[in-house]
Amino acid sequence: EVRLEQSGAELRKPGTTVKVSCKASGYSFTDYYIHWVQEAPGRGLEWMGLVDPENGETIYAERFQDRVTITADTSTNTSFMELSSLSSEDTAIYYCSPGGDFDPWGQGTLVTVSS
Amino acid sequence: QSALTQPASVSGSPGQSITISCTGTSSDVGTYDYVNWFQQHPGKAPKVLIYAVNKRPSGISNRFSGSKSGTTASLIISGLQADDEARYYCNSLTRSGTWVFGGGTKVTVL
Repeated sequence: EVRLEQSGAELRKPGTTVKVSCKASGYSFTDYYIHWVQEAPGRGLEWMGLVDPENGETIYAERFQDRVTITADTSTNTSFMELSSLSSEDTAIYYCSPGGDFDPWGQGTLVTVSS
Repeated sequence: QSALTQPASVSGSPGQSITISCTGTSSDVGTYDYVNWFQQHPGKAPKVLIYAVNKRPSGISNRFSGSKSGTTASLIISGLQADDEARYYCNSLTRSGTWVFGGGTKVTVL
């Protein structure tokens, strides 16, 4: 069974950085890209970027380009999404999902940005 | 990259069929057959219903089907059931290698 297990909820102050993890199991980690998706209140789903675990190459959405870093550690089958210069607008649930069919999704990680 | 366009809401009675549209451009939906559809119940992670325009993952009911014509993809839900009440999203690969989601459609079962 393919599973994506994400790290727990985070509380951060404005201007700081958060790093969320996503541990994959049940398939060959290097066979599929890992996507990261933001779900902010009232804003629906927004694609943030992806990493190719095979070679570490990344593609980012223009909106997050300057603030997001997505990586993959093949020794632990884990992807990480780091978002910097946080503001209240980054309060959201962040999901990871593998492959072109986005199947399955991790359980989500709530990140709250508040002073 | 602008979001794909979906209707904000669609409703139907139990047993009926409904269609949700997803309109993009020649840079995304119109170029690639990498269009997916997701169902999301409140407080839950999204779940893929349809991938690559019209393919169903194992375990997904055949009441869900997908199609595409030009720059518009469609999700058809037949035999509408109470549990189909949820939010539905489409997404597509784009020419720049990024992905873009639609704004989401709230389905109400009357």
